[in-house]
Amino acid sequence: GQQLNQSPQSMFIQEGEDVSMNCTSSSIFNTWLWYKQEPGEGPVLLIALYKAGELTSNGRLTAQFGITRKDSFLNISASIPSDVGIYFCAGSRLQGAQKLVFGQGTRLTINP
Amino acid sequence: DTEVTQTPKHLVMGMTNKKSLKCEQHMGHRAMYWYKQKAKKPPELMFVYSYEKLSINESVPSRFSPECPNSSLLNLHLHALQPEDSALYLCASSQGLVVGTDTQYFGPGTRLTVL
Repeated sequence: GQQLNQSPQSMFIQEGEDVSMNCTSSSIFNTWLWYKQEPGEGPVLLIALYKAGELTSNGRLTAQFGITRKDSFLNISASIPSDVGIYFCAGSRLQGAQKLVFGQGTRLTINP
Repeated sequence: DTEVTQTPKHLVMGMTNKKSLKCEQHMGHRAMYWYKQKAKKPPELMFVYSYEKLSINESVPSRFSPECPNSSLLNLHLHALQPEDSALYLCASSQGLVVGTDTQYFGPGTRLTVL
C-alpha cells in the first residue's frame, strides 16, 4: 500500500543536539500524527496535527502540518538519552480517516 | 486517560495451537484496530471494527479471526499459524470517525512467536 516518505531513516547524534525529521507525500492528508516507539512496546502518540499550517509543541517536541497538506516535520530540541527510539509519522485522509498511512520510521540513536 | 491494554505481553505457540489475543479500552472509543508489525517496519493494518461491526479486513488470512464482543473489548483468535506470522501484534482505538479527523491510540502489543 501507499507509504509516506520519511527521512532520514536513521540519525546518530550527540546528547544535547537538536533533531529534525520530516514526512512527505504526493497526496493530501487531513491529519498528521507523530508517534514514538521503543523496543518491544507499542507506538506512543507524541503530537496530532489537524489543520494546514498548524504548529504544535509538546515539551521539547515541535511539529508542523505543512501548508500544502502534503508534508509534516518533527523537531526535538536539546536531545536527551530517553529520546532514543523509532519515530513514525502517519497520515489520514478526509475520506477513510480510519486508515492510517505510515512512514518507514526514523531510528534515533543518541551518544551520551 | 488514553490507555489501551493488551494481554498477554508475550505468547509462544505451536502451529497446531489455538490461542487468543485480547485488547481493552475504556475511553469510550467506538473504533478498534488490529495491526501486525514486523521488526524495523511500520505497523500494517489487519482489521478495523467500527461500532462493533467489522468495517475493514485488509485481506488477512482466515487463520486470524477477529471478534468484538462489546465496545470496549477486541479479540484476535489465532489458529494454525505459520512461523512467518511471528510479529508484534498491536491493538489501537479511536473515537470512530470515518470522515474527518480521528486519532488512534496504540496498546503495548503482544509479542507472538510461532514455532
